[in-house]
Amino acid sequence: RKEVEQDPGPFNVPEGATVAFNCTYSNSASQSFFWYRQDCRKEPKLLMSVYSSGNEDGRFTAQLNRASQYISLLIRDSKLSDSATYLCVVIRSYIPTFGRGTSLIVHP
Amino acid sequence: EAGVAQSPRYKIIEKRQSVAFWCNPISGHATLYWYQQILGQGPKLLIQFQNNGVVDDSQLPKDRFSAERLKGVDSTLKIQPAKLEDSAVYLCASSLEAEQFFGPGTRLTVL
Repeated sequence: RKEVEQDPGPFNVPEGATVAFNCTYSNSASQSFFWYRQDCRKEPKLLMSVYSSGNEDGRFTAQLNRASQYISLLIRDSKLSDSATYLCVVIRSYIPTFGRGTSLIVHP
Repeated sequence: EAGVAQSPRYKIIEKRQSVAFWCNPISGHATLYWYQQILGQGPKLLIQFQNNGVVDDSQLPKDRFSAERLKGVDSTLKIQPAKLEDSAVYLCASSLEAEQFFGPGTRLTVL
């Protein structure tokens, strides 16, 4: 089993839709969790950190479920500009592991 | 604030040739990472430095890949000899705390 798993998608949604991605991790000793965004042929950039208490930034909400070992990202009111690949990152013993990414396509 | 610099941006070589990539992290960032990203996949950590010491290199193919970070600042990643499956984008990142800042990457094509 891979340490970090994501559904690669693509998720194809209309503007204004709500979309959610999950990312599961295998090692319960994992300590920190993040979502990064990667645009086509660009480098990844931090989108948000993920906490057990939840983290909200505008239209984006991230959640951590330690019991079930997954993190989630919810995007409300999708915009065309949200089209990108969303990568989850899990850190254990200061070493990061990226998921393969979930592709989101928002269409008019 | 200047970002992470990488060079070259693109490189095309033939299999069995050698290639080297260079990375200059954000000033003051102690941690430096090299990743390999194959098309359609997430970045795979090759090596992680803390200052000039290696934190993790468990996924670095040491028979052909090598990396160094002299003086705890700039870093180079070398592949010798290259194979077709090394075609990928090589990303360098640096961090002060948890957030990683990535450079634009070097796109390597091995023919």
